[in-house]
Amino acid sequence: DADVTQTPRNRITKTGKRIMLECSQTKGHDRMYWYRQDPGLGLRLIYYSFDVKDINKGEISDGYSVSRQAQAKFSLSLESAIPNQTALYFCATSDKDRAGETQYFGPGTRLLVL
Amino acid sequence: ELKVEQNPLFLSMQEGKNYTIYCNYSTTSDRLYWYRQDPGKSLESLFVLLSNGAVKQEGRLMASLDTKARLSTLHITAAVHDLSATYFCAVVKEWGAQKLVFGQGTRLTINP
Repeated sequence: DADVTQTPRNRITKTGKRIMLECSQTKGHDRMYWYRQDPGLGLRLIYYSFDVKDINKGEISDGYSVSRQAQAKFSLSLESAIPNQTALYFCATSDKDRAGETQYFGPGTRLLVL
Repeated sequence: ELKVEQNPLFLSMQEGKNYTIYCNYSTTSDRLYWYRQDPGKSLESLFVLLSNGAVKQEGRLMASLDTKARLSTLHITAAVHDLSATYFCAVVKEWGAQKLVFGQGTRLTINP
């Protein structure tokens, strides 16, 4: 079974709709992240959380919100989706106590906003 | 502002050849990562480089870090088709915060 899972894997929505992308992990990591990837670009950080009570904005948080429901769950919401939020979204986790603190990525959610 | 630039962005090469991907970054950082992404897939961790002069090798891939030059290289030796993928480097923006800034990625195609 995958250590980091994302649901849904694909989503089509309309402008103005609210949607939620979910991330779950079984790695036992405290730190979780949301990124978006656009064609030809690297990943950009949207939000990150170091524990259940800690939420931080990344580079491109406008138009997004997050919720850390438990150590293992971190959700990303688009309150009112717009077409330029069409992208591939990745969740990632890391363990601060592990040397190098590599981030491990989920399979991604492909989002299309019409 | 930390900027991370990779070159080349596209690379087409023949099997059996050697080549190098470069990753330059604009401000001091002591931690750099290399990831691989296959089309339509997630990112797979390849290497983490933690100090100046660090060198890591796995199979036909070797990564190195020069923190003084703010440069990392990913060297491919005797390329094989299975190495075709997009390769990303990422640099820690804030120590302790583990905020990564990614390069644009290098799309590598290896032809038989």
